[in-house]
Amino acid sequence: DVKVTQSSRYLVKRTGEKVFLECVQDMDHENMFWYRQDPGLGLRLIYFSYDVKMKEKGDIPEGYSVSREKKERFSLILESASTNQTSMYLCASSRDRANTGELFFGEGSRLTVL
Amino acid sequence: DQQVKQNSPSLSVQEGRISILNCDYTNSMFDYFLWYKKYPAEGPTFLISISSIKDKNEDGRFTVFLNKSAKHLSLHIVPSQPGDSAVYFCAARGSYNTDKLIFGTGTRLQVFP
Repeated sequence: DVKVTQSSRYLVKRTGEKVFLECVQDMDHENMFWYRQDPGLGLRLIYFSYDVKMKEKGDIPEGYSVSREKKERFSLILESASTNQTSMYLCASSRDRANTGELFFGEGSRLTVL
Repeated sequence: DQQVKQNSPSLSVQEGRISILNCDYTNSMFDYFLWYKKYPAEGPTFLISISSIKDKNEDGRFTVFLNKSAKHLSLHIVPSQPGDSAVYFCAARGSYNTDKLIFGTGTRLQVFP
């Protein structure tokens, strides 16, 4: 069974802290994505990667960075967390760059920044 | 600017009846559309898709209709079941940039007995 695993389901951090969100997929997928989901705004793409050590900015990359050192792992980093980064973060992977196939999502990481 | 819009934040339908979820888009360069379903505390899961060269795609109880001239697509669920209660997102892919999908804001469907 295909699986995308996000390391933390719930996190509470303080303003200014550095936050790491980890994501691992076991499907040998080339592409990996980080989205955030907010009420009334849907899913918005933060960063994506189509190969190891490659990364591309999505629609809202400000305040975030990513790391992809291994094919199966894609990390989202908040260098200095702020309250407006309180959100649900969703990691996803897909088989090909054409995006006609489905994205496989993890269960999400709910981050609260105080 | 929201390129993919789901103007109804919520929908309530009786079990056994048809659910119709709507999605509008503004970019005529979108060439592929997908629907995802999301239960609370879970990630979204793929439901059904349609290419812009088609106007209908059916999979069991789920049918997606595409009206390119109106830049509108809809998801029909017949018959609706309580287990269909979830948030539904439509998503679109641009022919000019196939690397990513653009998602709508979601519609919460509640199917009551």
